Amino acid sequence: SAVISQKPSRDICQRGTSLTIQCQVDSQVTMMFWYRQQPGQSLTLIATANQGSEATYESGFVIDKFPISRPNLTFSTLTVSNMSPEDSSIYLCSVVMATQAFFGQGTRLTVV
Amino acid sequence: EDQVTQSPEALRLQEGESSSLNCSYTVSGLRGLFWYRQDPGKGPEFLFTLYSAGEEKEKERLKATLTKKESFLHITAPKPEDSATYLCAVLETSGSRLTFGEGTQLTVNP
Repeated sequence: SAVISQKPSRDICQRGTSLTIQCQVDSQVTMMFWYRQQPGQSLTLIATANQGSEATYESGFVIDKFPISRPNLTFSTLTVSNMSPEDSSIYLCSVVMATQAFFGQGTRLTVV
Repeated sequence: EDQVTQSPEALRLQEGESSSLNCSYTVSGLRGLFWYRQDPGKGPEFLFTLYSAGEEKEKERLKATLTKKESFLHITAPKPEDSATYLCAVLETSGSRLTFGEGTQLTVNP
């Protein structure tokens, strides 16, 4: 199994600012995944982060808005840039090990 | 494109009233089907992985089954603490990304 530490657990931010979310895994993993969960909805994949290469973004998500870093095999960050109230969501990081997928606790972001 | 559909969207049960949640999926090749429980404001909590049709797994009051087109999460004699959103996701053989369903919000009344 994998233990994922994600922080911050929650934040309230002013519109136009940026927030960086960190995700630390207790094992080395090739790929880390970032999801968004808007209120009352299921999880939507934002991007896949590979160590040593640029992240792969899903349709509707762009690097300028959600820059991702993956400096090593146990750590990744997701930045939500130039925030607006529509960015208010829970953001989750995830790893897949063998055929099990594990999630961080999530970051509840409120943009005011 | 992978598709995962969960039903019902919401389910309200009385304590002790057994029921089932459905997850229908369409993938080119299934590597695994996952069930998660999610409490409000928290990340998904892993429950089960099913790999092939006919497989069943149990944990306390929960039992997950899998066919070639769908999975069921059976809840036997539920308790109020089973109230949560239950998410189903599939992992395709050719990839490493999960595709999630919309979830079933379960409420168990005492």
